[in-house]
Amino acid sequence: QVQLQESGPGLVKPSQTLSLTCTVSGGSISSGSYYWSWIRQPAGKGLEWIGRIYTSGSTNYNPSLKSRVTISVDTSKNQFSLKLSSVTAADTAVYYCARWGLQSADVWGKGTTVTVSS
Amino acid sequence: QSALTQPASVSGSPGQSITISCTGTSSDVGSYNLVSWYQQHPGKAPKLMIYEVSKRPSGVSNRFSGSKSGNTASLTISGLQAEDEADYYCCSYAGSGYVFGTGTKVTVL
Repeated sequence: QVQLQESGPGLVKPSQTLSLTCTVSGGSISSGSYYWSWIRQPAGKGLEWIGRIYTSGSTNYNPSLKSRVTISVDTSKNQFSLKLSSVTAADTAVYYCARWGLQSADVWGKGTTVTVSS
Repeated sequence: QSALTQPASVSGSPGQSITISCTGTSSDVGSYNLVSWYQQHPGKAPKLMIYEVSKRPSGVSNRFSGSKSGNTASLTISGLQAEDEADYYCCSYAGSGYVFGTGTKVTVL
């Protein structure tokens, strides 16, 4: 059974780059026709789709974040990563990684809280 | 890409049926049969309940059903149970990515 686990700093300073990694266990990130995604949720608010990557390296990003987002994949480590540059307090949220199969997010990580503050 | 519109809250008594709407546009919900629904309990990650408008993943109760008409998708929960109290989000493919709904809090009275 595939499981996902987010990791990375819980505190990032304004204007810096937020970096998170999602480790996939219980299966190969390269097997099957899956995209691997990042989704975030500010406290008390709704979900926001950030973007996704296929193991070929093909990506799609939320147009509102596209200029600041990079999602990459490392198949040798069974991981994929998120970088969000020039962060502000508005980027404070719980960040989830998810497997995108069945044209939907069918497996989710538990989420990691990232706070942007000096 | 604007968030899909959902009612802020829906409530019902145990055993009743409720329906949550999810209104988008002809660029997302109206153009693709790629609407999914997620259940989220407080402090937990979302859980997939419906995909491709009306399909249920293995293990999801058949009390949950989905449909779509035009630019609006719907999630119906029949035989409402206490454990169904949670936030629900719809999500639709929008051409080159995905957009989530604003979320609906379901309260079991």
